[in-house]
Amino acid sequence: AQKVTQAQTEISVVEKEDVTLDCVYETRDTTYYLFWYKQPPSGELVFLIRRNSFDEQNEISGRYSWNFQKSTSSFNFTITASQVVDSAVYFCALPIRNTDKLIFGTGTRLQVFP
Amino acid sequence: DAGVIQSPRHEVTEMGQEVTLRCKPISGHNSLFWYRQTMMRGLELLIYFNNNVPIDDSGMPEDRFSAKMPNASFSTLKIQPSEPRDSAVYFCASRVTSGANVLTFGAGSRLTVL
Repeated sequence: AQKVTQAQTEISVVEKEDVTLDCVYETRDTTYYLFWYKQPPSGELVFLIRRNSFDEQNEISGRYSWNFQKSTSSFNFTITASQVVDSAVYFCALPIRNTDKLIFGTGTRLQVFP
Repeated sequence: DAGVIQSPRHEVTEMGQEVTLRCKPISGHNSLFWYRQTMMRGLELLIYFNNNVPIDDSGMPEDRFSAKMPNASFSTLKIQPSEPRDSAVYFCASRVTSGANVLTFGAGSRLTVL
């Protein structure tokens, strides 16, 4: 069965610290996509990134970077020099094989203190 | 683009009352999803539609829940009768059909059943 595990329930850091959010997934598919979403205190779910399993290169977008490792079935998310505005719940997600469903991990709540 | 529009944003009702949540997907998106978010169960997929047709409603908790999509620009999620355990945030999301495509979420409807 396909599954997404975010073992870190909550992380607290002080501003300017780097922080990594872990995501481990299970799938039998040979090709698949992985997603990260952010849910700030306002409550909306905001898309951050989509990654194709063919592409294992790390991706960087400003202070955000993603490390995709197929060998360990992980798709980790790092925020460099965290800011208070990064405080949110972050979700990793995976489509279910042969369906249009997207399953989400349980989320990691990140709190960045000034 | 106005994004996915949900109404009402907040609803407080008494047990036994009927609740109707509404969603307008992004124009051109032919898949629509209803998710429910609670502290205990996280983000759960309730039902989704492709081209206005319900494809999978296996996540709908009970017969008290029903969803319709009469046309490409409107969907409703109805709870009748409502119970306190239905209290949650209900999200509507849409995308162009394909598991690889990005799901865009509405702001959510926070339901409180007293």
